[in-house]
Amino acid sequence: QTVVTQEPSFSVSPGGTVTLTCGLSSGSVSTSSYPSWYQQTPGQAPRTLIYSTNTRSSGVPDRFSGSILGNKAALTITGAQADDESDYYCVLYMGSGISVFGGGTKLTVL
Amino acid sequence: EVQLLESGGGLVQPGGSLRLSCAASGFTFSSYAMSWVRQAPGKGLEWVSIMSGSGGSTYYADSVKGRFTISRDNSKSTLYLQMNSLRAEDTAVYYCAKSPSGSLAGSDYWGQGTLVTVSS
Repeated sequence: QTVVTQEPSFSVSPGGTVTLTCGLSSGSVSTSSYPSWYQQTPGQAPRTLIYSTNTRSSGVPDRFSGSILGNKAALTITGAQADDESDYYCVLYMGSGISVFGGGTKLTVL
Repeated sequence: EVQLLESGGGLVQPGGSLRLSCAASGFTFSSYAMSWVRQAPGKGLEWVSIMSGSGGSTYYADSVKGRFTISRDNSKSTLYLQMNSLRAEDTAVYYCAKSPSGSLAGSDYWGQGTLVTVSS
């Protein structure tokens, strides 16, 4: 069974840039995986940041960007702010209607 | 404004059944695939199921296949999840989510979720 991998945790300084990644335990991520990225704070519903690799969801600031880096999907946050401290999840489309989430990355801004 | 409002959660005994609903507004419901995603307490997100806009295609995670049934009533702009043979491990907040296009990949809007607790 294919596992979607994410860094369990990451830290960034205020104003800094951080890139979170989303990979596959077997194989490479491509645009055909339609990677999406979601931000979630405790007790809240997820918020969509990016879908279809690099399409920013409505209202999402342009300091959030998505891409493919090597064989992984990537979410880059530039100019990190205190309220970016959240859990970040990616999801990959596996084909045949099936999607799989990564385990999430807990981002600390300090 | 897109709005998704889940309902139907609650406490149910193991082996029991529950039907969740997701009332949608602010977009042409029948044009978009809709998903259910769940999150167990203190855990990450888990994709559960998706249905195409027409309702002609449905897909499930292995963990719920054969026990859960997704459906929709496009005349009522409502998505459903019928959950049977519930287990303790089905305890989670269940979110409905709208796909961003006609595809089956990703979501752009989410509801606030409804909590399902399976316990005796």
